[in-house]
Amino acid sequence: SQKIEQNSEALNIQEGKTATLTCNYTNYSPAYLQWYRQDPGRGPVFLLLIRENEKEKRKERLKVTFDTTLKQSLFHITASQPADSATYLCALLYNFNKFYFGSGTKLNVKP
Amino acid sequence: NAGVTQTPKFRILKIGQSMTLQCTQDMNHNYMYWYRQDPGMGLKLIYYSVGAGITDKGEVPNGYNVSRSTTEDFPLRLELAAPSQTSVYFCASSSAPSGTHGEQFFGPGTRLTVL
Repeated sequence: SQKIEQNSEALNIQEGKTATLTCNYTNYSPAYLQWYRQDPGRGPVFLLLIRENEKEKRKERLKVTFDTTLKQSLFHITASQPADSATYLCALLYNFNKFYFGSGTKLNVKP
Repeated sequence: NAGVTQTPKFRILKIGQSMTLQCTQDMNHNYMYWYRQDPGMGLKLIYYSVGAGITDKGEVPNGYNVSRSTTEDFPLRLELAAPSQTSVYFCASSSAPSGTHGEQFFGPGTRLTVL
């Protein structure tokens, strides 16, 4: 099965800085990769999707990159705000229908 | 649009009991999924469905069963509950996982404890 690694330690940053989260995977590259936000006691909420033939995607203050050589995706939040504090999950799609999720990285943005 | 709804929100089961977790979506999505999330862990796929009458196993299907008789509903059945099934269960739906959008819409979850 696929192994997906996200930094299990919380990321603590100051408001206004850029937060960078990492998602590493083993074995073969997925068809595409998604990033989700999850708040305590709630279901994940979709943020961004990037395909294996795309290098970078942006949406407002969010940016995701996908390097199939390094088997890694980076998720950036620029000008971070305390409201961005949450757990961020990456999800990889394999075999057209099956999603594998990482364990998530908790982001704490301090005012 | 209610999106994806799940019932119940909470449930405590005794070992060996059975129950059905309900999931309904009103977005006319063909794809539906059941995940479980253990504390501090990511989501693991239990079962998924690509349309009414079609289901398939995910990563951790043992101890569970599903059915998909309509586009809207995708119930998850637990037979002979075990403490290892204590978890938060999320249902999700998607219009097309490898299509233009592919985003999954998640329900609020069901927190299940087996004692």
